[in-house]
Amino acid sequence: EVQLVESGGGLVQPGGSLRLSCAAAGFTFSSYAMNWVRQAPGKGLEWVSTISNSGERTYHADSVKGRFTIARDNSQNTLYLQMDSLRADDTALYYCVTYSFTSVSRRFDCWGQGTLVTVSS
Amino acid sequence: IQLTQSPSFLSASVGDRVTITCRASQGISSYLTWYQQKPGKAPRLLIYTASTLQSGVPSRFSGSGSGTEFTLAISSLQPEDFATYYCQQLNSYPITFGQGTRLEIK
Repeated sequence: EVQLVESGGGLVQPGGSLRLSCAAAGFTFSSYAMNWVRQAPGKGLEWVSTISNSGERTYHADSVKGRFTIARDNSQNTLYLQMDSLRADDTALYYCVTYSFTSVSRRFDCWGQGTLVTVSS
Repeated sequence: IQLTQSPSFLSASVGDRVTITCRASQGISSYLTWYQQKPGKAPRLLIYTASTLQSGVPSRFSGSGSGTEFTLAISSLQPEDFATYYCQQLNSYPITFGQGTRLEIK
């Protein structure tokens, strides 16, 4: 069974930093691209970042570009999101999500339960 | 690429057939995915590549479309189907979601 367990969220002041982690189990982590998706309280889903299975390619939403960095450690089956220069509008539940990507299909198929980040003074 | 779902809110009864539309601001081939989200829960994948039903999803859910217009249909609403539904495009970066459609019991 696929398991994705996020951690590292919490309360941080504007301008501060946090590093989120996602521990993966139950599948071959190094074979999958991975994502972070966030959801502000009472709002919709927003894609944040994607990293290729090898870690060589990364993509970030414009709203976080230059402030957030996605990374992975395939030896530890762990996905990370380094978040710097945090702002109030980064307050959200952050989900770790697998990305199944083939020549004919693409989907975000497995989601963790999320870790809450609150940016406030 | 912007995705616009309609309607944003839908009220229906158990047993009804409902459809939700997702329009893309430019062509996205068939790389359109649908998710269901219930309060306090993570989203659940329903349909990918516009019309492929994810394993374990009931057959009353179906998807169609290509290019810029897509539809999610639920043939006979069950009590557990009342939730919020999101479309998502995976054709190109930045990946985007629709604003969501909240489906409530009439």
